[in-house]
Formats: sequence, structure tokens, C-alpha cells
Amino acid sequence: GAVVSQHPSWVICKSGTSVKIECRSLDFQATTMFWYRQFPKQSLMLMATSNEGSKATYEQGVEKDKFLINHASLTLSTLTVTSAHPEDSSFYICSASLGGGPKEQFFGPGTRLTVL
Amino acid sequence: EDQVTQSPEALRLQEGESSSLNCSYTVSGLRGLFWYRQDPGKGPEFLFTLYSAGEEKEKERLKATLTKKESFLHITAPKPEDSATYLCAVWITQGGSEKLVFGKGTKLTVNP
Repeated sequence: GAVVSQHPSWVICKSGTSVKIECRSLDFQATTMFWYRQFPKQSLMLMATSNEGSKATYEQGVEKDKFLINHASLTLSTLTVTSAHPEDSSFYICSASLGGGPKEQFFGPGTRLTVL
Repeated sequence: EDQVTQSPEALRLQEGESSSLNCSYTVSGLRGLFWYRQDPGKGPEFLFTLYSAGEEKEKERLKATLTKKESFLHITAPKPEDSATYLCAVWITQGGSEKLVFGKGTKLTVNP
């Protein structure tokens, strides 16, 4: 149980285009989903926390107009990277919580974004 | 500023050679400490949660311990399949919200 999927697993796009990443909790309802970014040899950095039906809470330094998060249902959250640039190339990982806040997070397999 | 530091950055062991990974933290309001395993190109896989100093948890060849300033992940008689990056994360409350703050990880390689 407690499986989280992400789609796509990798994506290559041209600079200036937008990319949408989906995060789904497959066998449970996730009140809260988290989006992280991981650069090579760096730690996972929390970008934003999203609760179903409400606006996401972004971490300091993360542009909310660039990284659009939609948590429309208890099993789906999407992250859209708008007007992507090469510096946005990274490994994006989502996690879903069973309801106990960050202590019960189950992570997705990640999405590798490469912006040319 | 809340900080999590893991050491060493990388560790090479021979199969059967036991060792420990360290996670030291400087946070206010620690609510818990987590250990995860991450394989290349994958998301983190949950291993342990520790909540208070003195607590210990075990799973197969892994044992996690917690003090007031650091945590150790002990690996006993490791096997090649234990090769992965091990991440430590602290659960904190910041600005009214709860989140995990991760260290950079220790990349473990176990040679047969």
C-alpha cells in the first residue's frame, strides 16, 4: 500500500515552454502533497506544500508564478513549470501524506526535467 | 537557521564490513528525525522515524539511534544490495507549518 506515482518519469523540453508533472496517490487519499526539487549531490529541497482544494504554500525563494501547483483532488496534484529555462533542470519529486503531516510522507519515483 | 549535516559524503565498504553513518542537526523544535534510502533516479524510501533521544530502531542490517544533537545509522555486515544514498531528514515546525528538512545524504557503496 501507500504507492505514489509520477508522470512523466523524464521530460526534455525547449527553453520557454511549460511542462506539467503529475503526482498521484494510487491507493490512498492524500490530504497533503509536497513538491521537492533535488539538484545533483544536493539535498531534497521543499518547494511547496499543497492541500486539496486550497492554494499551495510556497517555501521562501520559490516563485509561485513560475511553479504552479494544483491539488484538485485527494489523489492528484500537478506541478507546472512555466516558461522553463535551463536552470530549472532538476529532479522533481512529489510526496503524499496520509494525513499526519510530513511524518507520514510517501514519495513518488521522481521526474527528471531537462530544459535545453 | 535549521541545518542538517550528514557525514561522510561517500563511504565505500567491503561486504561484511560494518560501519556507521552520521546525521547531525541544529534545529529548533525537533519533532522527529527520519532516515530514508534513495536509489539512483528514484524517490526516497522510508526506513525509520525516531522521536526522542535514546530511541533506537532496527530493520534487518540497519539500526538507527538518536541523541539530542545527532543520529547514527549503523549498518551491520552490509551486502552489495545495501548500496544506495541514505538520507536523513528532520521534521520541524516553521512559520506555523510543518516540513522535513533533508541533509545531502551519504552515498554508500558496498563491494562484493
